Amino acid sequence: GAGVSQSPRYKVAKRGQDVALRCDPISGHVSLFWYQQALGQGPEFLTYFQNEAQLDKSGLPSDRFFAERPEGSVSTLKIQRTQQEDSAVYLCASSLQGMRREAFFGQGTRLTVV
Amino acid sequence: GQQLNQSPQSMFIQEGEDVSMNCTSSSIFNTWLWYKQEPGEGPVLLIALYKAGELTSNGRLTAQFGITRKDSFLNISASIPSDVGIYFCALIISNFGNEKLTFGTGTRLTIIP
Repeated sequence: GAGVSQSPRYKVAKRGQDVALRCDPISGHVSLFWYQQALGQGPEFLTYFQNEAQLDKSGLPSDRFFAERPEGSVSTLKIQRTQQEDSAVYLCASSLQGMRREAFFGQGTRLTVV
Repeated sequence: GQQLNQSPQSMFIQEGEDVSMNCTSSSIFNTWLWYKQEPGEGPVLLIALYKAGELTSNGRLTAQFGITRKDSFLNISASIPSDVGIYFCALIISNFGNEKLTFGTGTRLTIIP
């Protein structure tokens, strides 16, 4: 499709397990954002890429969270040694240029840590 | 972080009723955005406001950017079943030249049959 695609849609991880969440942005979109949405809350910013450069990672909650976008297209958010408080929906968004153009969100990956 | 207060938290209304929700911020901003999120989906942009006092409509939706630049409201007229969802206000925050969205806590709209 033409929208932002995220996979998997659902992920159940045992506490301590590493997980990798994938985001395929809209083709040609320079900017890519990751957000974390806890149950009953609004999305919260995690990190921002412009092409392959990670320009802002101020929202990553700990050094267990790592994101990459090596070729300026697909991005992966990795969480090491998952903990129960990591349970949330992880949303990816892309835009043509930062926030000067509309950002389109994917459906998200719902991560449950048990 | 930026304080963004959204109210009400939830609304239960009958089909055909009008809806009003609002957001206030602790600081002045230049852009207010309103998003809708349906179950299992990401947020979708409804309306963007760029100027204090601006009133913008999108079908049955109307949003206004407060003249103090610290608040905004969203109205939905003659609600229909597909209006069900969570509505978020959002601000564009600049962090060392990089912009990002800060979202409110959301207003959950439920339509009673």
